[in-house]
Amino acid sequence: EVQLLESGGGLVQPGGSLRLSCAASGFTFSSYAMSWVRQAPGKGMEWVSGISGSGGSTYYVDSVKGRLTISRDNSKNTLYLQMNSLRAEDTALYYCAKGVVAVAGRYYFDYWGQGTLVTVSS
Amino acid sequence: DIQMTQSPSTLSASVRDRVTITCRASQSISSWLAWYQQKPGKAPKLLIYKASSLESGVPSRFSGSGSGTEFTLTISGLQPDDFATYYCQQYNVYPWTFGQGTKVEIK
Repeated sequence: EVQLLESGGGLVQPGGSLRLSCAASGFTFSSYAMSWVRQAPGKGMEWVSGISGSGGSTYYVDSVKGRLTISRDNSKNTLYLQMNSLRAEDTALYYCAKGVVAVAGRYYFDYWGQGTLVTVSS
Repeated sequence: DIQMTQSPSTLSASVRDRVTITCRASQSISSWLAWYQQKPGKAPKLLIYKASSLESGVPSRFSGSGSGTEFTLTISGLQPDDFATYYCQQYNVYPWTFGQGTKVEIK
């Protein structure tokens, strides 16, 4: 059974940092692209960042470039999101999601974790 | 970025109704579109991928169609478990983008 368990969220002041983790099980982690998707309270979903199975390719939405960094440790079956210079608009529930490659470079999400809440406030 | 626009934003329907949700892309995305269902406090669940392919385990009352810039999700015979919010997502071009969601409410 595929399981994705996020952790690391919390309350942080503007300008602060957090590192989110997503522990994966039930599938060959290194074979799949992964992403972080966020949902602000009461709002829709926003894809934030994605990473290839090897970790060699990473992608970001413009609003987080230079502040958030996605990475993975395939030996630990864990996905990370290092969040620096946090802003109020980063407040959201952050989901990790497992990608299904439709064709090279294109993928959708077949499994999602339950999310970890990041609140940026003074 | 590709903008995804869903309509309507809210839909009131009754059990056994046929329901259609539309998703429009600001530029062609071929058939690289997925649909998700989300219930309050829960993670999204994949329903449809590649515009019209039904995910394993999803009831056949769900169907998707379209290509290019216009897509639809149809629920044929709405069930009590189907009252939720539905999102489309394009995965043709980074950044992947979602529609704003369509909430299906009980009439």
